[in-house]
Amino acid sequence: SQTIHQWPATLVQPVGSPLSLECTVEGTSNPNLYWYRQAAGRGLQLLFYSVGIGQISSEVPQNLSASRPQDRQFILSSKKLLLSDSGFYLCAWSEGALWDTQYFGPGTRLTVL
Amino acid sequence: GNSVTQMEGPVTLSEEAFLTINCTYTATGYPSLFWYVQYPGEGLQLLLKATKADDKGSNKGFEATYRKETTSFHLEKGSVQVSDSAVYFCALGQGGSEKLVFGKGTKLTVNP
Repeated sequence: SQTIHQWPATLVQPVGSPLSLECTVEGTSNPNLYWYRQAAGRGLQLLFYSVGIGQISSEVPQNLSASRPQDRQFILSSKKLLLSDSGFYLCAWSEGALWDTQYFGPGTRLTVL
Repeated sequence: GNSVTQMEGPVTLSEEAFLTINCTYTATGYPSLFWYVQYPGEGLQLLLKATKADDKGSNKGFEATYRKETTSFHLEKGSVQVSDSAVYFCALGQGGSEKLVFGKGTKLTVNP
């Protein structure tokens, strides 16, 4: 069966510091991968998605970036965090069409102080 | 473009009460419709889905019927439990689109 991992689970970072969040998927090949953000009390915001190694699509302009160095690994990064980057970051994967069922990881709670 | 509108929360119910969370959508053609649930501090889990008109998705006592005529996919449960307390998201997906479209979420609290 497929599983999805995210780490770290919780992170507290000062403003201006770098960020690296990692997501890995097991039990599937060539998945579509996604990064979402949930700000406190708000809905889901799609940040990036990827259909293959090295292929990244960005949904919103911001100081975040994403990379996919391996088939089942998806990394979210920032060079300098802002207060507004605080939130709950969710990684997800799917097979086949981008608009079909997505499966979510446990999330990373990021607090920028 | 495609969009999903779900009822504003929060919703507070007593245990064993009947639950309805409304969801309506805007789309051309026949999208697939989903309900996801997010328990406190966790990621989203697929609760149920329906891929064509009049389909009923069901799971864990929850049901939702794809109504093309009213463009709706309301979530129902006959008797809620404290453990159902969570945020529920309605979502839509359609061929030709590059992503799932999520509603804003409805927070449900069930009191004993």
